[in-house]
Amino acid sequence: DAGVIQSPRHEVTEMGQEVTLRCKPISGHDYLFWYRQTMMRGLELLIYFNNNVPIDDSGMPEDRFSAKMPNASFSTLKIQPSEPRDSAVYFCASSLYSTGSTFGSGTRLTVV
Amino acid sequence: EDQVTQSPEALRLQEGESSSLNCSYTVSGLRGLFWYRQDPGKGPEFLFTLYSAGEEKEKERLKATLTKKESFLHITAPKPEDSATYLCAVGGQAGTALIFGKGTTLSVSS
Repeated sequence: DAGVIQSPRHEVTEMGQEVTLRCKPISGHDYLFWYRQTMMRGLELLIYFNNNVPIDDSGMPEDRFSAKMPNASFSTLKIQPSEPRDSAVYFCASSLYSTGSTFGSGTRLTVV
Repeated sequence: EDQVTQSPEALRLQEGESSSLNCSYTVSGLRGLFWYRQDPGKGPEFLFTLYSAGEEKEKERLKATLTKKESFLHITAPKPEDSATYLCAVGGQAGTALIFGKGTTLSVSS
């Protein structure tokens, strides 16, 4: 298995633009998580899905953030409109019910 | 509220100088305590899961232990390649996501 695959690896965009981050989880995993990591706040959970259904989105900072999981092999995290304070590394991770999550390599987002 | 606190924030060791990292937690119904290693520019890499007090897991120079309130990651005779940020996370009630601490950044010099 190729692991959790995220794209793009790096994204630089202008304030106000729409940004879409993509994730392909490990086949067979039933949980998918989106995290954001910054120096100040560490690793923060944004939203997670179980069997493609959103379970907890209380970590999504504002209505500008949205996430979808249309099928078991694909998820997106969208920011519209983007702001400089959204600059961070965004990780996708997947897992089976009670096992340790496997993380992707992350997307480094810079909003200028 | 479930919470995870790691200490120290940063630790510098000489090669061969053993030490321990601490992870203190409060969680309702511990489902598991997880240790991860994160190298610069990469995603966290899973190391261990501990489920009950008294449990221990080992991998090369690393040993993780668990009590009812904290976990320790012991590093024996570290090498420069052990330099990384070590993250601790707890799983609470069934079906909830992991809660991560802010990590301990370990630097091992030769």
